[in-house]
Amino acid sequence: QKEVEQDPGPLSVPEGAIVSLNCTYSNSAFQYFMWYRQYSRKGPELLMYTYSSGNKEDGRFTTQVDKSSKYISLFIRDSQPSDSATYLCATHGNAGNNRKLIWGLGTSLAVNP
Amino acid sequence: NAGVMQNPRHLVRRRGQEARLRCSPMKGHSHVYWYRQLPEEGLKFMVYLQKENIIDESGMPKERFSAEFPKEGPSILRIQQVVRGDSAAYFCASSRKGAEAFFGQGTRLTVV
Repeated sequence: QKEVEQDPGPLSVPEGAIVSLNCTYSNSAFQYFMWYRQYSRKGPELLMYTYSSGNKEDGRFTTQVDKSSKYISLFIRDSQPSDSATYLCATHGNAGNNRKLIWGLGTSLAVNP
Repeated sequence: NAGVMQNPRHLVRRRGQEARLRCSPMKGHSHVYWYRQLPEEGLKFMVYLQKENIIDESGMPKERFSAEFPKEGPSILRIQQVVRGDSAAYFCASSRKGAEAFFGQGTRLTVV
């Protein structure tokens, strides 16, 4: 079992739709959760960074972490064509080797005008 | 505050040559991570370094690959005697202790 599972998609939605992206993870020691966006041939760009469970909102983006079910979600409201990219979830624990980022493979999103 | 700087952005090497990839972390960041991304594949962890120390190199191939992060200067990922299978995008990320990581734009290595 991979430590972080993410549906690769591709996911195609019309402009203005609400997008839901999800990851599951296996190690209960993971404490920090991140979502990155990667455009083609660019480096990953940090979108959201949260610690432990709960919700966090930043503009059109909301992330939810449910540690009881080991489930991470990213919601994008009023999606735009410029949101078309690959979205990667990542997590890590607190100390030592647990600090290295563990990645999902990414979900490819296309927002169609 | 400049972001994570990687150079060169593109590197072409012939089989058997050495490749040196450099990463200058963000100011104040003492943790550096290297990742490899093959075409149509996800990011693969290679190595995690702090200044002058390798913390976790579990993702590094046992041969030909090495990494360092000296007290002064950039982190270096070195690949000796490159082969075609080494062609990939190599990304570096940096962070402060206990904080989120920020990525550079990557070095695209092509082995011909």
